[in-house]
This record gives sequence, structure tokens and C-alpha cells, in this order.
Amino acid sequence: DAKTTQPPSMDCAEGRAANLPCNHSTISGNEYVYWYRQIHSQGPQYIIHGLKNNETNEMASLIITEDRKSSTLILPHATLRDTAVYYCIVRVSDNTNAGKSTFGDGTTLTVKP
Amino acid sequence: EPEVTQTPSHQVTQMGQEVILRCVPISNHLYFYWYRQILGQKVEFLVSFYNNEISEKSEIFDDQFSVERPDGSNFTLKIRSTKLEDSAMYFCGSLGWRGGGYTFGSGTRLTVV
Repeated sequence: DAKTTQPPSMDCAEGRAANLPCNHSTISGNEYVYWYRQIHSQGPQYIIHGLKNNETNEMASLIITEDRKSSTLILPHATLRDTAVYYCIVRVSDNTNAGKSTFGDGTTLTVKP
Repeated sequence: EPEVTQTPSHQVTQMGQEVILRCVPISNHLYFYWYRQILGQKVEFLVSFYNNEISEKSEIFDDQFSVERPDGSNFTLKIRSTKLEDSAMYFCGSLGWRGGGYTFGSGTRLTVV
């Protein structure tokens, strides 16, 4: 799996958009970008994933650059409950692959009132 | 929303004892995983399981560890002879045939004394 680089920490004001960057310059053509978050010591929570197109769901938006070497997770209106460690992971995804996901150090997002 | 259920939430055991951590994955999921997180450290992959066999395992998953899916619903992780360094949060995850992101349980905190 390709390696990812994320800033160790970020702050965001409550109600504002949180933009979390991730660099994955060695990503392969068949690797997807996944985002998870972990609130305190709970199990990681899947947020969103994408291959090359931008994606949006009820939790967040994922913007992937055209060269796929970086991406940004956007939480449009951050709340205090979004304070968590956010992990960007790249891995192959198809329905014959049960491969592991490698969690790095992630970005600790602190949403402040 | 379907959940992955893990029991117990907290287990204390004496060094050298066997422990079994239990997980009930989402019912129509096909891929199953165990990860662990030592306090203050990264989430680490242990093992993936598909079609009733291990598909991949990490260096951590040595002969002291085993997994089973005994009855088509439960997915267990057994540690044969626990060591102090096995103290960690253990997370079970599952993934459906459509791929996407894992669903993790809320974890079992294992404390070896």
C-alpha cells in the first residue's frame, strides 16, 4: 500500500469548514483513497473513499487532485463532536481483495468553540 | 445501521492465561479483520479472514494468536498465552462484498497483569 503523509494536528472553529490534507504521491492506479476517524479510543469509523473523482456523502466531501497525488477531506460545518484523529489510507479495493489497511499517525483535529 | 459487536468490552487476565475475544460482524459481510492499538500508539493490522481462512497476517500475529469463525456468525481472536505486551485495545472489523470502508466494533480493552 502507498504511504500517506498528513499534518500531525489542526484546529478548526466550530461551524467552520475543516479541510484536512493528505499527500499520497506514490499512489498506484488501482489504489483508492480512504478516510477514517477515531474518536478517543473508540473503533475507527469509516468516512468516505474515492478513486479519482470527487466524492460527497452525508459526513464529508473528498477532493482528489487530478494527478491523484494528494487529497483533501472536507467537513463542511465542523462540530465539537468532530474532534478526532483523522486517518488517510490508500489501498486497493475490489471484491476479491481482503487486504489490510495501514493506519499511520493521522491528523488530530481539534474543533474549538 | 448495522453494527459490529465486540465482547467483552474490557478483559483483565493474568500473564500466561488464554483469552478469547469475540466479535459478531455485520451479517452479510464477507471479510473480517482484527486490529489492535496499544495505548498511545498506532492502530496495527493483525489478520484478515475471508472464505473461512486467513488471507493475510502481520508479523505480530505469531503462533500465539489464532482466529476462528466457528458458526458463521461469530469471529473470535484467541491469544494462547498472554504476555504483558499484549495489553491493548483490540478492534474487530468487517467488510461487505461491495468493498468500501470497514465497519469496526467499539473494541475490547485487554489488560494483562
